[in-house]
Amino acid sequence: DAKTTQPTSMDCAEGRAANLPCNHSTISGNEYVYWYRQIHSQGPQYIIHGLKNNETNEMASLIITEDRKSSTLILPHATLRDTAVYYCIVSFWAGSYQLTFGKGTKLSVIP
Amino acid sequence: GAVVSQHPSRVICKSGTSVKIECRSLDFQATTMFWYRQFPKQSLMLMATSNEGSKATYEQGVEKDKFLINHASLTLSTLTVTSAHPEDSSFYICSASHLQSEDEQFFGPGTRLTVL
Repeated sequence: DAKTTQPTSMDCAEGRAANLPCNHSTISGNEYVYWYRQIHSQGPQYIIHGLKNNETNEMASLIITEDRKSSTLILPHATLRDTAVYYCIVSFWAGSYQLTFGKGTKLSVIP
Repeated sequence: GAVVSQHPSRVICKSGTSVKIECRSLDFQATTMFWYRQFPKQSLMLMATSNEGSKATYEQGVEKDKFLINHASLTLSTLTVTSAHPEDSSFYICSASHLQSEDEQFFGPGTRLTVL
């Protein structure tokens, strides 16, 4: 699996957009970009995933660069409940989509 | 929809005993289930992948005789930690995917195991 690089931590003011970057310069053509988050002592929660096009759902938007070497997860209006570790993962189909979790970004939403 | 539960949520056991953790998909049939382990302040590490009715595929370095995985039905997988020792104390998390959404994994809430 391609590796990802994320900042260790970020702060965001409550109500503002949180933009979380991820580098995946070795991503191959059939690998998807996934984002999950983990609130302390809970199981990870799926946020969004995409292949090449930008994606949006009720939780977030995913912006993938044209060369697919990086992406940004956008939480449009961060709340205190969005404080969590956010994981950017690239994965491909090999009978199942295996997820290799890195260290992620610890996002702290500040009142 | 797509809810995964785990039982128990917490377990404390004595060294040398075995502990069984259940993972259930509540509202869908899970074609594949995954087991992860997470030590304090570390990320999740995949332990094994299991498909219903077949043997689990273990990741390198995970002892299959120590961590027994059974995926007997499309809604239940169990992880048994045999002869548990204090170094097995960890947060064990399962996830599941289903036919209609094989590219997405739904995670359980995790089980905190403490071995005394």
